[in-house]
Amino acid sequence: AQTVTQSQPEMSVQEAETVTLSCTYDTSESNYYLFWYKQPPSRQMILVIRQEAYKQQNATENRFSVNFQKAAKSFSLKISDSQLGDTAMYFCAFIPSYGSSNTGKLIFGQGTTLQVKP
Amino acid sequence: SQTIHQWPATLVQPVGSPLSLECTVEGTSNPNLYWYRQAAGRGLQLLFYSVGIGQISSEVPQNLSASRPQDRQFILSSKKLLLSDSGFYLCASKAAYNEQFFGPGTRLTVL
Repeated sequence: AQTVTQSQPEMSVQEAETVTLSCTYDTSESNYYLFWYKQPPSRQMILVIRQEAYKQQNATENRFSVNFQKAAKSFSLKISDSQLGDTAMYFCAFIPSYGSSNTGKLIFGQGTTLQVKP
Repeated sequence: SQTIHQWPATLVQPVGSPLSLECTVEGTSNPNLYWYRQAAGRGLQLLFYSVGIGQISSEVPQNLSASRPQDRQFILSSKKLLLSDSGFYLCASKAAYNEQFFGPGTRLTVL
């Protein structure tokens, strides 16, 4: 079965510092997508970043970047220059490019709660 | 781009009462749609998904049901609510690159 694991239930970081959230996944697929979602206290789910497995280059969106290690099945999220507005629950998610993509069902990790402290 | 509306935003219902949560999508046609439930501080549990009108797949056996009467309308229902049905309900639509776009959610409290 395909699974996504986030081993850090809670993390904290000082404002302006850098923090890395971990995510590992298990799959036999070779082509897939990985995502990080952010859920702030409003509980609106927001897509932060997307990585396509066939792309070796790590995705970057402003202060958010990923470290994608396909062989290790690892997909960590780095937040640079942390801001108070980054306080949220972060979810890692996975979907194969084929097969399950017909239904579009995402496989989510359990989430990591990040607290940015002033 | 897509916009997802969920109604109502907040709901307090007594045990045993019926439930109807509505999700409507704008800015796309024939989307795959999803209902999730989330307990406070916890992860997402996929309840139902739909790949088209009248097509519903259930992920978790429970006293909830879903319907898709129109292309961009997805409804979550129950005939008799249980205390365990309390939670935050999110509707989502499949977007480009296999990601999902989420609505603002409905907070349901069953007393």
